[in-house]
Amino acid sequence: ETGVTQTPRHLVMGMTNKKSLKCEQHLGHNAMYWYKQSAKKPLELMFVYNFKEQTENNSVPSRFSPECPNSSHLFLHLHTLQPEDSALYLCASRRSGALETQYFGPGTRLLVL
Amino acid sequence: EDKVVQSPLSLVVHEGDTVTLNCSYEVTNFRSLLWYKQEKKAPTFLFMLTSSGIEKKSGRLSSILDKKELFSILNITATQTGDSAVYLCARMTTDSWGKFQFGAGTQVVVTP
Repeated sequence: ETGVTQTPRHLVMGMTNKKSLKCEQHLGHNAMYWYKQSAKKPLELMFVYNFKEQTENNSVPSRFSPECPNSSHLFLHLHTLQPEDSALYLCASRRSGALETQYFGPGTRLLVL
Repeated sequence: EDKVVQSPLSLVVHEGDTVTLNCSYEVTNFRSLLWYKQEKKAPTFLFMLTSSGIEKKSGRLSSILDKKELFSILNITATQTGDSAVYLCARMTTDSWGKFQFGAGTQVVVTP
């Protein structure tokens, strides 16, 4: 275990549903990340938060809406998704500004029907 | 354009073989180069490289960075079936908040 948890681990949703992914870190970090991992493609950075402020939005469609209420929690709200949004969504955290790696959560496997 | 390029995309080896994975990267705003292992779940950290020519070693795994030629290699000696995974290379940029750009990964399959 890396100290980063994600729920749910698996999610199936229709294109008209609204759901949320949750990430929590117990490492005292102050930077949190959302990544999308599709088959045969590199990890795609979606959003970055530092000290609860969004510092990166990598041209992500508005049907993905992040929320960071505090440095330990990160959410990804999903609505009106498309089948091509099916992927593994990974959360990560690290100490902002430090020359250190990120620590990844186990991911949420999302299937959009 | 691809900031991080890994090769090969996949390979199959027999237990006991040595594997060499390659990662080339773009130099713009480069801070460090990282390697991760991913086995159907969260990527786990292997190495971080910031200085050229200094080998980092952990058991049967080792890695080195060449900042002149802009590449890194990851070596796995005496491979075991437990080494089967996707190996990811990432570059960390100089952005103060820490931006990581990943390659597509190399799928390694070690057969008994």
